Amino acid sequence: QKEVEQNSGPLSVPEGAIASLNCTYSDRGSQSFFWYRQYSGKSPELIMFIYSNGDKEDGRFTAQLNKASQYVSLLIRDSQPSDSATYLCAASGAGSYQLTFGKGTKLSVIP
Amino acid sequence: GAVVSQHPSWVICKSGTSVKIECRSLDFQATTMFWYRQFPKQSLMLMATSNEGSKATYEQGVEKDKFLINHASLTLSTLTVTSAHPEDSSFYICSATPGLHEQYFGPGTRLTVT
Repeated sequence: QKEVEQNSGPLSVPEGAIASLNCTYSDRGSQSFFWYRQYSGKSPELIMFIYSNGDKEDGRFTAQLNKASQYVSLLIRDSQPSDSATYLCAASGAGSYQLTFGKGTKLSVIP
Repeated sequence: GAVVSQHPSWVICKSGTSVKIECRSLDFQATTMFWYRQFPKQSLMLMATSNEGSKATYEQGVEKDKFLINHASLTLSTLTVTSAHPEDSSFYICSATPGLHEQYFGPGTRLTVT
């Protein structure tokens, strides 16, 4: 059974701080990892994806992947109240387009 | 780029009727489309995977005769909820992939069955 685990939160950070969101996955065959943001009542929006070990930066967002530890994280620098949302971690295996989603971490950025 | 639309955005129907939801990839051809359902405060649940021109693959526990999926072209997939009941009320979201691994989600359709 492929599983993606996330702390449900809520994770509260003050405005301007770094928010750190974590995710672990059970299937060692997973090759691609995705972070989605979902505002309440809306559909998920793709923020970043990462395939290789190490860090990948895009603006205020940095995704980190450690395949040996089966661990994925998302750092949000200079957090803004508009970043308050549920963040979904997802993984897909080789040759498959299907994503296995975690249950999401709710982030609250306090002004 | 990578825009996916859904129609309608919300629908209210009476118990026993059928509802069709359309999912379109607007600026890319989608080799594969997915249909998800999400209940309040819960995560996404994959219902089925559809590939253009072939039968959809349904996840365990999803009734294929109740949730009819047609992927008629590389830009259009439809989900028909047949004989809808109040327990089918949910947020239905489609996603599409252009053949890479990332999925792009439509805005969702909120179905309420009375």
